[in-house]
Amino acid sequence: GEDVEQSLFLSVREGDSSVINCTYTDSSSTYLYWYKQEPGAGLQLLTYIFSNMDMKQDQRLTVLLNKKDKHLSLRIADTQTGDSAIYFCAETSGSARQLTFGSGTQLTVLP
Amino acid sequence: DVKVTQSSRYLVKRTGEKVFLECVQDMDHENMFWYRQDPGLGLRLIYFSYDVKMKEKGDIPEGYSVSREKKERFSLILESASTNQTSMYLCASKPWQAMPADTEAFFGQGTRLTVV
Repeated sequence: GEDVEQSLFLSVREGDSSVINCTYTDSSSTYLYWYKQEPGAGLQLLTYIFSNMDMKQDQRLTVLLNKKDKHLSLRIADTQTGDSAIYFCAETSGSARQLTFGSGTQLTVLP
Repeated sequence: DVKVTQSSRYLVKRTGEKVFLECVQDMDHENMFWYRQDPGLGLRLIYFSYDVKMKEKGDIPEGYSVSREKKERFSLILESASTNQTSMYLCASKPWQAMPADTEAFFGQGTRLTVV
């Protein structure tokens, strides 16, 4: 089946930028997503990017997509303690209804 | 606001019991999903449904079944619970994917199931 991979852990200092990376294998992926899961909660959509885009910016969040390398990244500028959470990369292809998720990256923001 | 509600936050069941996990959404979404979440493995799709009485197997359907008798409700059934089914279970719903704006899946809070 299709695969989405992420590193499991990332630690950054408050105020620094965080970059969370993701690679995927499905060349027919049409939408790629970043979800955030805070402790004890479900997943919340942060942002998504359509496969014909290479960048999307939304306030402190920047998503970069390298379709050739099948690499997606999420940059969080000025990272705050409230950004500590698990971040999931996910993808779907146009014909599929379901999302395929990565393992999640636990972001820890140090004071 | 879209709401996806899972009936229990925490559940403890004995090995061999039949377990029902319930999920209700209030946005008339066609698609509903059950995932399990385990550390280091991310979310793995168990089953999904794209319409009433329709269901499709996900990546790890063994040991599970589902029921969708009404559009708003999607139930996950563990026929005979086993300790390796101890996990966090997440339900999600999503509208029919017609437009780019309709791509968001909405998640419930999760049910942490412990099988002893």
